[in-house]
Amino acid sequence: AQSVTQPDIHITVSEGASLELRCNYSYGATPYLFWYVQSPGQGLQLLLKYFSGDTLVQGIKGFEAEFKRSQSSFNLRKPSVHWSDAAEYFCAVVKNTGFQKLVFGTGTRLLVSP
Amino acid sequence: EAGVTQFPSHSVIEKGQTVTLRCDPISGHDNLYWYRRVMGKEIKFLLHFVKESKQDESGMPNNRFLAERTGGTYSTLKVQPAELEDSGVYFCASSIIQGGLEAFFGQGTRLTVV
Repeated sequence: AQSVTQPDIHITVSEGASLELRCNYSYGATPYLFWYVQSPGQGLQLLLKYFSGDTLVQGIKGFEAEFKRSQSSFNLRKPSVHWSDAAEYFCAVVKNTGFQKLVFGTGTRLLVSP
Repeated sequence: EAGVTQFPSHSVIEKGQTVTLRCDPISGHDNLYWYRRVMGKEIKFLLHFVKESKQDESGMPNNRFLAERTGGTYSTLKVQPAELEDSGVYFCASSIIQGGLEAFFGQGTRLTVV
């Protein structure tokens, strides 16, 4: 069965510092990969997605993610964190064949310190 | 363009009572999904509608949960009778393309059963 692992439950980063959130997936083939963000009081917002092609994907709000097939990873990065980035981040996968439904990781809560 | 809207945003009910959650998808989106996040756990798929038909309800926890989408527009998710373990955040999402690709999420309904 598919699974997604986000090993970090909480991460605290200083404002202006770089950020990397880890995501590993378990699936026999290359799935479709997503990162969502949930800010306080908001719904889930799609940050970026990977379907195929260039393994470095650019998203909204200055985020990027890199798909590494050999490591089954899809880590999210941002070079300089802003206080408004404090939120919960979810990695998700979808099978690339047949009916697809999102399988989510447990989420990583990002705290930004001054 | 209005996004996915969920009502109510919060609900606190007693064990044994009935609660109905509503989701208004983005106009024109045939695909509608329900997901749930129990405290501290991952967001899990509940079911998927294509228009008014249930495409996949494999994630529904038990027969106390009933989802409907009359006329293929808005959807309701009824929990009757509610149990303590039903507490969590219920998300609705909609998409044009089948499979959760480019799915747009609502802000969620936080259900607390006491």
